[in-house]
Order: sequence, then structure tokens, then C-alpha cells
Amino acid sequence: GPKVLQIPSHQIIDMGQMVTLNCDPVSNHLYFYWYKQILGQQMEFLVNFYNGKVMEKSKLFKDQFSVERPDGSYFTLKIQPTALEDSAVYFCASSPRQGANSDYTFGSGTRLLVI
Amino acid sequence: QQKVQQSPESLIVPEGGMASLNCTSSDRNVDYFWWYRQHSGKSPKMLMSIFSNGEKEEGRFTVHLNKASLHTSLHIRDSQPSDSALYLCAASDRGSALGRLHFGAGTQLIVIP
Repeated sequence: GPKVLQIPSHQIIDMGQMVTLNCDPVSNHLYFYWYKQILGQQMEFLVNFYNGKVMEKSKLFKDQFSVERPDGSYFTLKIQPTALEDSAVYFCASSPRQGANSDYTFGSGTRLLVI
Repeated sequence: QQKVQQSPESLIVPEGGMASLNCTSSDRNVDYFWWYRQHSGKSPKMLMSIFSNGEKEEGRFTVHLNKASLHTSLHIRDSQPSDSALYLCAASDRGSALGRLHFGAGTQLIVIP
């Protein structure tokens, strides 16, 4: 079936540096999401994005976080500067329509380690 | 506090057996429920969704939903070793127009040949 691709699959970065996580969503999907999963804990919603704008974000989406999708390219999550507590697996998802009953396609995640 | 709780944390069943997984939301603002399966290092893949009271069956998989108690369960009959994976329950937030999911911590299912 259609897939969401995430690049890179793993990233190690020094604390304080900037990191960009890339997501290639399903081609006809319009709604995009980022989730964060700390080791041993459940996945938690960060942000959703539609038509070039952040629509909703959670308390986990700190000021150091930003998302964009310039000109239909990758949907990106940028963290600047990174902190140790940003170490986690970040999952991107996309869906074809809005609403609480929409189907989501998830990527395999980017494993980020901040040292 | 987690909005979605899953039990058990882990489950071992013999090949051919029945696996029963549970999920409850403590927040009445959730609406629809999904079950995802995630093999190690892979993306969560949607197994089944259920939006109204009752039961839904697809092949070896059956889900139940009781909206009054916000409890859903997933039952896998004739379990296979390939069913071994982390099973995630997710519930959608009724207050979200675009959709945001609340996930449980998962049940790790191991099917022994």
C-alpha cells in the first residue's frame, strides 16, 4: 500500500545543534502529523498541519520546534536548538481527509539521539 | 495521566490460540478507536477501526467497542507467529477538527510456535 517515508531513519546530534527530520507523505494526502515516542512510553501527538499552516499543537511542541512543507516537498520537523529530552522516535503520519475518523498512514520513524 | 490504557502489557499465546487485548479510555472526549500493529523497527500499520457500539470482524481479527464504558478489545483467533508484534490502541480526540490520536503504551504479543 501507499507509504510514508521518513529520512533519516537514525540521527545522532550534539545538544544545542539544529536537526531537521524529513517526511515524504502519501502523494494525495493533505493532512500531516508528527508524533513523538520516548523509549518505553506511548506515542504522543505533537502537531498537525494543513494547507501550509499548523492547525493544532500539543504542549510537547516547544518553541524550539517548527514544521513546514515548502512547495509540496518534504514535510519537515525542525528542532533548534536541540535538548537532551528531545531524544525520541519521531513518527510522521498523513491522512487524505480531516476529521476524527480519518485513516492515518504512519512512517517508520526517525530515531533521534541528542548527546 | 494517560488518556488510553492498554492491558495486558505483554501476552504470550501458543500458535493457534486466541489472543485478547484490552483498551480503555479515561477521557470521555475521545470518540473513535483504532488498533495498530507495529513490528519492531517498522511503522504502525492500521489493523482495524471501530466507530460505533458492537463488534466488527475481519478475517481472524474481531474488535468490540462499548462506547458507554469507552472500552474496546481486539481478539485474534488462530494466532500465528507472524502476529507477534506490539499492538497499539488509539482513540481520536473529539475536540480536534483535523484529528489527533491518543495512543496507549501497547500490548506486546508473542505467539509461540
